[in-house]
Parts: sequence; structure tokens; C-alpha cells
Amino acid sequence: AAGVIQSPRHLIKEKRETATLKCYPIPRHDTVYWYQQGPGQDPQFLISFYEKMQSDKGSIPDRFSAQQFSDYHSELNMSSLELGDSALYFCASSLLGGKVEQFFGPGTRLTVL
Amino acid sequence: GQQLNQSPQSMFIQEGEDVSMNCTSSSIFNTWLWYKQDPGEGPVLLIALYKAGELTSNGRLTAQFGITRKDSFLNISASIPSDVGIYFCAGFSTGSGNTGKLIFGQGTTLQVKP
Repeated sequence: AAGVIQSPRHLIKEKRETATLKCYPIPRHDTVYWYQQGPGQDPQFLISFYEKMQSDKGSIPDRFSAQQFSDYHSELNMSSLELGDSALYFCASSLLGGKVEQFFGPGTRLTVL
Repeated sequence: GQQLNQSPQSMFIQEGEDVSMNCTSSSIFNTWLWYKQDPGEGPVLLIALYKAGELTSNGRLTAQFGITRKDSFLNISASIPSDVGIYFCAGFSTGSGNTGKLIFGQGTTLQVKP
């Protein structure tokens, strides 16, 4: 079965640079979530989108923005990168209206030098 | 804010042994989920629980949703080496929007000795 696709899998950036992470949800899933997982930490919710509209917002820095496009894929844009932004970034998708099971992608490992 | 307390933090067991881990919360959750994460990979959904008192199995895994909806446990029977990983409980929290979010426990790191 098709899973959530994330790209790139690994990304290395310098401080103050920008980064764009992409997420392709499971086909027919209409909801996308972004989570950040620091080393040894549990995933922390950043933001979610339902039917291309921002839905819920968590602890997402103002330097980050995200959107969901007409084909339901989503992008997380991160500007003025800081060392503390180094983490695994996961995208998850679900089918709202059904059960609340969220299926996670393999993640993007962002390293800020 | 809402927090989930997961225990134990880590376990080192012999292959073939049974394992039990649990999660508690001060808040009520309408849905509990259990995930397994391998290093550097995304969490994989193991079991979802929707009703208070619900007991659900997935192969050697069994999970129960507490009656108060503030706790859940996960049991793994007859552990094997590929059970190694980090197990997270997660409560589904409704937000101001349509989608809600998952709040994760701190994770239980399981190591299995062959």
C-alpha cells in the first residue's frame, strides 16, 4: 500500500539559510500534519491542514510556514534557520471523517550547521 | 498543557519474554494510539483504541484503553529481536480546528537479547 512520502530524506543547511520540506500524503487522505522530533524526544505537533486550509497550530515558530496545495501535498518552509532547528521532521496524513489514525512518513532529517 | 506519562522509560529483556508498558494522563482522551519507531524512521501505527475499556490485539500485541480514558497499556507477548525499538503512546487531542493533533508520551525503548 502507498505510504506517506517525504523529501528530501536528509538536508544540511547553514545558520540563517532557508529550507523547504515536502510531504505527499497517502492517496485520498485529505489531512496533513507536521511534527518535529528532537534527539531523544517525542514528536511535537507543529501544524495541520485539512482540505488545503490550515486547521490547527502547535508550537511552530514564526520563522516557519506551511501550506497544502491543490493536489494535497504540503510544504514546510523554514527560514532564518537556527542550530536548534536540527531535528527529524515528520509529516503524517489521515482521512478526516474516518478514524483519527495518523500515518507517518519516513521523515526528513534536518541538520543546521 | 496536556501531557502523557509513559513508563517504563526503557526495558532490556530476554527473547521470548512478555513485555508491558503503560501510559497515563491527567486529561481524558477519546482516542489512544500506540506507535513503534525504529531509529531514524517514522512512527508506525500499531494499534488504535476508540472506546473506554476497549481491548484490541494485533498479532502478539495487545492494548487496552482505560475505563477512565486517562490511561492505556500495551503488552507484547513472546518478544522477538525485531521488537526492538521505541514505543510511543499518543492521545488524540481535538483542537480549535477540524483536525486535532497527537500528543505523545516520552517513549519506551525496548531492547531484546537473543
